[in-house]
Amino acid sequence: LAKTTQPISMDSYEGQEVNITCSHNNIATNDYITWYQQFPSQGPRFIIQGYKTKVTNEVASLFIPADRKSSTLSLPRVSLSDTAVYYCLADAGNNRKLIWGLGTSLAVNP
Amino acid sequence: DTGVSQDPRHKITKRGQNVTFRCDPISEHNRLYWYRQTLGQGPEFLTYFQNEAQLEKSRLLSDRFSAERPKGSFSTLEIQRTEQGDSAMYLCASSVGTGGAGNEKLFFGSGTQLSVL
Repeated sequence: LAKTTQPISMDSYEGQEVNITCSHNNIATNDYITWYQQFPSQGPRFIIQGYKTKVTNEVASLFIPADRKSSTLSLPRVSLSDTAVYYCLADAGNNRKLIWGLGTSLAVNP
Repeated sequence: DTGVSQDPRHKITKRGQNVTFRCDPISEHNRLYWYRQTLGQGPEFLTYFQNEAQLEKSRLLSDRFSAERPKGSFSTLEIQRTEQGDSAMYLCASSVGTGGAGNEKLFFGSGTQLSVL
């Protein structure tokens, strides 16, 4: 299972685009990259998942370069409600063994 | 609303007491997970069910912890003789398992916050 590394914290302002980069240097061929968002006193919530290139949904975009050793979660025009912890995970279907790490604590300021 | 419900949301107990938590997964999900999370840390895997079978249990899990999933539907997590170190958020998640596919997505409940006094 690929171990991931991401910044501990980030600060932003309302309306800005936020990019959170995650490195997973030893990602395996079958590993997917998945991002979750967690608010205080709630369980994590799935945001986006990808294998390569670019994935976009109504919430975010995920950019994965060709070597797949890193990925970037992009949140367009953040609002105060995007203040949360964001976890990057790389896994080949073994969710029971996932190492979640500390995530990135994003603070969006007015 | 993820569809996974956990009960109770909060539990305060005294050291040495037994506690039991319940998780109702999304109805069509065959996989169910229990995690534990302490303040400032990411979720830590505890145990995993596929249907009614408990297929894996963390080696870090004390024998005071037991989980069941009768009939492959809801699940319970019991902690016997609670200790102060058991204070944490206990999270349940479910998913639709498709073999070893790497694109499995977890759906979490809101968790049960346990405080052991």
